[in-house]
Amino acid sequence: DQQVKQNSPSLSVQEGRISILNCDYTNSMFDYFLWYKKYPAEGPTFLISISSIKDKNEDGRFTVFLNKSAKHLSLHIVPSQPGDSAVYFCAASAPPYNQGGKLIFGQGTELSVKP
Amino acid sequence: GAVVSQHPSWVICKSGTSVKIECRSLDFQATTMFWYRQFPKQSLMLMATSNEGSKATYEQGVEKDKFLINHASLTLSTLTVTSAHPEDSSFYICSATGQGRYEQYFGPGTRLTVT
Repeated sequence: DQQVKQNSPSLSVQEGRISILNCDYTNSMFDYFLWYKKYPAEGPTFLISISSIKDKNEDGRFTVFLNKSAKHLSLHIVPSQPGDSAVYFCAASAPPYNQGGKLIFGQGTELSVKP
Repeated sequence: GAVVSQHPSWVICKSGTSVKIECRSLDFQATTMFWYRQFPKQSLMLMATSNEGSKATYEQGVEKDKFLINHASLTLSTLTVTSAHPEDSSFYICSATGQGRYEQYFGPGTRLTVT
């Protein structure tokens, strides 16, 4: 049962344009969502997160949008740069958090930004 | 801030031997540490959650006697793969989170190859 899904395994975008990575979830108990960037043979790097009480969070070139009714979130990267090329994972967590929030990861989307 | 290290970064061992992987939070106190494994082109699969000073909580299907986890201090957790077999070959990644934090910060990963 895949609770967090990234249906696009890959995405190719021209440098300077917008990259939109999508993520869907099924568990209505999820209340915190995160995006991670990962290079091969390295650990994921935290990018940006959003709480379920918000519908948008922005940090520089990265913006995450959350649509709770649709159980959908997206990561926008504007403008895209070649250095953004990596695999992007969305992740979600649900209470309780008394022993640390367990993250459920999507399958990842490989972004390629072409010069 | 929020740096997590792992050691070793890669290890090759013979079938039947045990291997220990260390995960350290370098600049914060990690109340909770997580251990994941990742197969090529796949998502991160949570193996277990460990809180300092208590027994680890293993995910369904993960053999606790095979993957021994110790979280003896607020900055160190270890994963020991006992009696390793070729099917245990994988990329193992740890993450850590601090008190009241949602974000997990990941180590660089350990590539284990069992021959």
